[in-house]
Amino acid sequence: EVQLVESGGGLVQPGGSLRLSCAASGFAFHNTWMDWVRQTPGKGLEWVANIKKDGSEMYYVDSVKGRFTISRDNAKNSLFLQLNSLRAEDTAVYYCSASLNQWGQGTVVTISS
Amino acid sequence: DIQMTQSPSSLSASVGDRVTITCRASQDISDFISWFQQKPGKAPKSLIYGASNLQSGVPSKFSGSGFGTDFTLTISSLQPEDFATYYCQQYKSYPRTFGQGTKVEIK
Repeated sequence: EVQLVESGGGLVQPGGSLRLSCAASGFAFHNTWMDWVRQTPGKGLEWVANIKKDGSEMYYVDSVKGRFTISRDNAKNSLFLQLNSLRAEDTAVYYCSASLNQWGQGTVVTISS
Repeated sequence: DIQMTQSPSSLSASVGDRVTITCRASQDISDFISWFQQKPGKAPKSLIYGASNLQSGVPSKFSGSGFGTDFTLTISSLQPEDFATYYCQQYKSYPRTFGQGTKVEIK
């Protein structure tokens, strides 16, 4: 059974940082592109970033470029998202996804002073 | 960026109705489109990829069609468990973009 479990969310002040993690199991993680998608309260879905199977390529939505960094550790079946210079508009539920086919339950990030 | 525009934004339907949701891309995306279902408080669930291919385990009452810029998701006979919000998403180019969603409510 595919499992994706996010962690690391929380309440952070504007300008702060967080590191989200996603523990994957039940599929060939090392052979799967991985994505982060976020959803603001009561709003729709926004794709944030993804990373190639071997970690050699990463892509980002413009609004997070230079502030967020996606990475992975295939030895530990783990996906990460480093969030820096956080803004109020980054407040959202952040989902980890295996190629947008399988999704975790999300972790909540709240940016507020 | 490719804009994905869904219509309608919401609809009311009865159990047993046939429901069609439309998604229009701002440029040609071939068949690089997926459809997702999301229920309140839950993660999205993938229904269809490649415009018309059902994900494993998704019932055949769901179907997708289209190519280029115009796409549809059809639910052949709406059941209580199908009341949810549906999203289209293109993966032809970066950034990946979603439609704004279509909320299917009970009439």
